[in-house]
Amino acid sequence: EAGVVQSPRYKIIEKKQPVAFWCNPISGHNTLYWYLQNLGQGPELLIRYENEEAVDDSQLPKDRFSAERLKGVDSTLKIQPAELGDSAVYLCASSLGYPQETQYFGPGTRLLVL
Amino acid sequence: DAKTTQPPSMDCAEGRAANLPCNHSTISGNEYVYWYRQIHSQGPQYIIHGLKNNETNEMASLIITEDRKSSTLILPHATLRDTAVYYCIVRVDETSYDKVIFGPGTSLSVIP
Repeated sequence: EAGVVQSPRYKIIEKKQPVAFWCNPISGHNTLYWYLQNLGQGPELLIRYENEEAVDDSQLPKDRFSAERLKGVDSTLKIQPAELGDSAVYLCASSLGYPQETQYFGPGTRLLVL
Repeated sequence: DAKTTQPPSMDCAEGRAANLPCNHSTISGNEYVYWYRQIHSQGPQYIIHGLKNNETNEMASLIITEDRKSSTLILPHATLRDTAVYYCIVRVDETSYDKVIFGPGTSLSVIP
């Protein structure tokens, strides 16, 4: 079974530039998550989708971050414009759903903002 | 919210059992204990979870105390590939939401 796929794996951009990350969850997984992980810390949830619906985006900085999951499968996370403090690893995860479903994580996208 | 506390780091000799403790003294009756690990430059990987009873799978064993205020993840024969950060997580349910809150975890170093 293929795991969660993310691309790109690494991205280097200059501040104020836009950037986008792509995630393809495990087939059949209705729930999709985006996490932010700073160096030396655990992942922090940014947004969670149930199919196409964003059911928890309370931690997403909406002034510069946006996400979409148009057909309830793939998802894109965008930052515009990027700031130096956005340098981190962006992780995507998926699960079958509720209530206590295990989350499966992708390898992450490592972003460096210069 | 239930929170967990773990030692920041541990060492374990290769081939020996690695016992990783976790305290979750404010856990609620319907909350599960989950363990994930994260090997360098990879995403977190699910290991095991449990509610009340001890659990075992091909990766590890989970021992939960009777009062459920703490648990121990056991890797019976640690190998160098088990070097990773191990996260103990209590699933938090808020209305219809199900947040997974990661702490800083325990950095396990398996030593040859």
